[in-house]
Amino acid sequence: EPEVTQTPSHQVTQMGQEVILRCVPISNHLYFYWYRQILGQKVEFLVSFYNNEISEKSEIFDDQFSVERPDGSNFTLKIRSTKLEDSAMYFCASSESGSGYTGELFFGEGSRLTVL
Amino acid sequence: GESVGLHLPTLSVQEGDNSIINCAYSNSASDYFIWYKQESGKGPQFIIDIRSNMDKRQGQRVTVLLNKTVKHLSLQIAATQPGDSAVYFCAENLQGGKLIFGQGTELSVKP
Repeated sequence: EPEVTQTPSHQVTQMGQEVILRCVPISNHLYFYWYRQILGQKVEFLVSFYNNEISEKSEIFDDQFSVERPDGSNFTLKIRSTKLEDSAMYFCASSESGSGYTGELFFGEGSRLTVL
Repeated sequence: GESVGLHLPTLSVQEGDNSIINCAYSNSASDYFIWYKQESGKGPQFIIDIRSNMDKRQGQRVTVLLNKTVKHLSLQIAATQPGDSAVYFCAENLQGGKLIFGQGTELSVKP
């Protein structure tokens, strides 16, 4: 069964450092997303991406965040200067359709970011 | 505004019993909802969805009920098994794949 893969599974970084989280979406999917989940809290939408540009972003996704699809397979989330409150599990997701009605948003297993 | 919430943070059931997990939403214009299951250390996994033109939808051992009058939906799991232990989230699916998740209910199944 196709799956979304994410690396690293866990990253520990110092406050102020740059972090890049990587995702390989399902190969025939065209819509890509990042969500995050602070420990014990609900999953929150960060950004959606289609056709090499951001479709929508939440207020969490400020200037410290950026996304990129550097090649035909990877989708990355960069946090330029990490803060303590960026510590969370970051989930990448992809879908075949962006209509929102398929329900089939496939999530990766997440990258846990710990900022010290 | 956008808001999706769950009534109970935890639910403990006996193996073989039926489980009911509830969810309330605030946006009366919401028209599409999804239930996700999240096992420990994993990402959310799609269980079942329902559109607002339906009141009920059934899957394998799961049923979702939607009451638009009181803006409430529920997930029913029949014959709950230990493998059903997880956190369950309802989510409102907005256009473009943006999901607004509720807080989650942790389901524990006692053998």
